[in-house]
Amino acid sequence: DTGVSQDPRHKITKRGQNVTFRCDPISEHNRLYWYRQTLGQGPEFLTYFQNEAQLEKSRLLSDRFSAERPKGSFSTLEIQRTEQGDSAMYLCASSSGTGVISGANVLTFGAGSRLTVL
Amino acid sequence: AQSVSQHNHHVILSEAASLELGCNYSYGGTVNLFWYVQYPGQHLQLLLKYFSGDPLVKGIKGFEAEFIKSKFSFNLRKPSVQWSDTAEYFCAVNAGDMRFGAGTRLTVKP
Repeated sequence: DTGVSQDPRHKITKRGQNVTFRCDPISEHNRLYWYRQTLGQGPEFLTYFQNEAQLEKSRLLSDRFSAERPKGSFSTLEIQRTEQGDSAMYLCASSSGTGVISGANVLTFGAGSRLTVL
Repeated sequence: AQSVSQHNHHVILSEAASLELGCNYSYGGTVNLFWYVQYPGQHLQLLLKYFSGDPLVKGIKGFEAEFIKSKFSFNLRKPSVQWSDTAEYFCAVNAGDMRFGAGTRLTVKP
């Protein structure tokens, strides 16, 4: 296993277009997280899944953002009608474990997908 | 929901100087605490973590952090920094989902 993979690494799009990012987590990890990171800021939590269940989505930035993990393996993050303010690095991470007190709740991050909206 | 505060935005040190980066969180329940590092052009990597037990935890590259529950703090320390420690450092709290601080940029001058 080569870690968390994200595709594409860089996407340039025009304002108003839809974009989709894909994340392939470490195969044995049941949790998958999406974050957004802008320059000079920490990762901003968006949503996360445990297997195929989306456990938290209230932090998604607007109703233009949606995420899926249909079979509990890879996940997609879609942004509809992109705006220039959506330009950022979108990070995916995965972990194993369930409860809060879990020695396995360590996130492994992918390299990210950079979005540029013109 | 929990939040994480990192008070130092940018720290500049000379090699061999000692380092302490502050991190405070707001959450009343049980938490897991982390420091992640992002070297220039690289993705986030785990530096160290605290789950339970000894509140002084040691990580990679000579870093350590101390969990002080009464102060809701998890400060990162290193006795003697190197030029190669130049990076962005992020404190994170996991109480169900992982939340990160805004980060501290460390520049070490040779």
